Amino acid sequence: GAVVSQHPSWVICKSGTSVKIECRSLDFQATTMFWYRQFPKQSLMLMATSNEGSKATYEQGVEKDKFLINHASLTLSTLTVTSAHPEDSSFYICSASPPAAYEQYFGPGTRLTVT
Amino acid sequence: RKEVEQDPGPFNVPEGATVAFNCTYSNSASQSFFWYRQDCRKEPKLLMSVYSSGNEDGRFTAQLNRASQYISLLIRDSKLSDSATYLCVVNFGDNTGKLIFGQGTTLQVKP
Repeated sequence: GAVVSQHPSWVICKSGTSVKIECRSLDFQATTMFWYRQFPKQSLMLMATSNEGSKATYEQGVEKDKFLINHASLTLSTLTVTSAHPEDSSFYICSASPPAAYEQYFGPGTRLTVT
Repeated sequence: RKEVEQDPGPFNVPEGATVAFNCTYSNSASQSFFWYRQDCRKEPKLLMSVYSSGNEDGRFTAQLNRASQYISLLIRDSKLSDSATYLCVVNFGDNTGKLIFGQGTTLQVKP
């Protein structure tokens, strides 16, 4: 299967700071990547669709000014959580689909803890 | 009504047992269907795609009933390593590539 990496795997930050998470497709090019958030004992919730070379598309209820997404190349998308608060603590996971595929492959996730 | 519904379980079964998970989805426009496996504190991993004709991969068999909007996963000869949460996933039914996840069914295989 296709390989997606994510960095960092975990991060602890103080309230009010910003955190950047990187998502890379290692063996394929991805014009579209997806960002999810997962709280304990809940399923994945799609936050936004990251589109290479254009603006991200955010799901209802997700603040685009708080969760900044940049998809500057065909293998890299970044999610920046700005002015993080404790309620932003969660498991953030990205995914991508190889060309012509419908299934998504996930990065290993980033566990964010805001103190 | 949730868009993808699964029984959260947990299903506790002995090694060697056969266990079946079911899932229903609400969007009749969905065209792509998957089962993913998620281990505790890890990312989901694709287990198998699901096709109308049904498909099998070793001990795993998936079935799709479009008329009833129902998907199933059968695991035969359960192993301890099958213990995980199994996520039923369908696409949005448009060309965005977006997926909708069920809440998952937890399986615990015991010796």
